[in-house]
Amino acid sequence: GEDVEQSLFLSVREGDSSVINCTYTDSSSTYLYWYKQEPGAGLQLLTYIFSNMDMKQDQRLTVLLNKKDKHLSLRIADTQTGDSAIYFCAERGGGADGLTFGKGTHLIIQP
Amino acid sequence: DTAVSQTPKYLVTQMGNDKSIKCEQNLGHDTMYWYKQDSKKFLKIMFSYNNKELIINETVPNRFSPKSPDKAHLNLHINSLELGDSAVYFCASSHYETGGAYEQYFGPGTRLTVT
Repeated sequence: GEDVEQSLFLSVREGDSSVINCTYTDSSSTYLYWYKQEPGAGLQLLTYIFSNMDMKQDQRLTVLLNKKDKHLSLRIADTQTGDSAIYFCAERGGGADGLTFGKGTHLIIQP
Repeated sequence: DTAVSQTPKYLVTQMGNDKSIKCEQNLGHDTMYWYKQDSKKFLKIMFSYNNKELIINETVPNRFSPKSPDKAHLNLHINSLELGDSAVYFCASSHYETGGAYEQYFGPGTRLTVT
């Protein structure tokens, strides 16, 4: 079955770059997504990448995709306290199916 | 205007009761979803639905049923509530387009507590 794996916690210093990693098993994944969830809030779509791309940049966010290794990463440059949240990696196979989420990475910002 | 809204935001009820959670989207999307987030923050798809088909995650008990009066609404009915149903339930919507990214937009969640 489909599986998406992430580390549960990442701690970085304010101003440093954060790199959140994700691996997935479904080779038919067409799109891969990153969502952000702040405490007590819903999920906010940050960015997504099509499976035939290997990089996508959007302001402070850089997504890297290694399709051969089924590895996805999200880099946040100049991490700020407002970036403190849970970051979910998700994949979608095809059609109107729902997303398969990883367990989320809690990003902790140290002053 | 809120794109995807859910009511109620909080729901506390007793075991054995039947309850509903409502979801509405004003994005003009044609596909809607329900997800369950447990106490460890793990998210699982429960249903996806558009006007053509309902896709059900096989792990979802048949006490849960989605009902869609129109394209903008997908309500979740839960019968005979159990303690293990306590969770946050998220509604989401997307536009179905062949080859598209199906970006899903989420509602704020409904925190269900079963006592």
